[in-house]
Amino acid sequence: GENVEQHPSTLSVQEGDSAVIKCTYSDSASNYFPWYKQELGKGSQLIIDIRSNVGEKKDQRIAVTLNKTAKHFSLHITETQPEDSAVYFCAGRMEYGNKLVFGAGTILRVKS
Amino acid sequence: NAGVTQTPKFQVLKTGQSMTLQCAQDMNHNSMYWYRQDPGMGLRLIYYSASEGTTDKGEVPDGYNVSRLKKQNFLLGLESAAPSQTSVYFCASSLTADISTDTQYFGPGTRLTVL
Repeated sequence: GENVEQHPSTLSVQEGDSAVIKCTYSDSASNYFPWYKQELGKGSQLIIDIRSNVGEKKDQRIAVTLNKTAKHFSLHITETQPEDSAVYFCAGRMEYGNKLVFGAGTILRVKS
Repeated sequence: NAGVTQTPKFQVLKTGQSMTLQCAQDMNHNSMYWYRQDPGMGLRLIYYSASEGTTDKGEVPDGYNVSRLKKQNFLLGLESAAPSQTSVYFCASSLTADISTDTQYFGPGTRLTVL
């Protein structure tokens, strides 16, 4: 079945710097990759997603890149702000069963 | 709109006790999901309901049961709680079960400890 590995598990950056979180997946048939942000005491929120027919997608300070050959995708946050501090989860959609498989999460701390 | 709500927020059980976690959504979504989140692991799907009255097993269904009698509610039951079920449980809903087109909206979670 699909396996999604996420790195790093924790990431500390200075306010204004960029943050990059990387995920690799095992199922080459996976075709949809969302990223979720989980703030303390709240449920996860979708922040950006990408489908396998594109290589990059941007939304203001957030971007996601996808390398289908290498089977990895990355979240890029530029000009980080303290409110970006949260746990970020990547996920891949299993072709069989239409289910999401999540990475283990990255704790991002933005220091001001 | 309250979105997805879960009750209770926290619960402590003794081994062997039973309980039901409640999830409600007011977005008229057809599909609902139950996940568990353990340290160092991503969210894992326990059960899901593609539409009212239907339920299907996810990745880790053992020890749980679910009920979707009403469109807006999805209940997760633990018949005989075990320490291995200590976790944070998240409920989610989406307009349809097609996760590549319809966003899943998550509740705030229920932190369950089984002693």
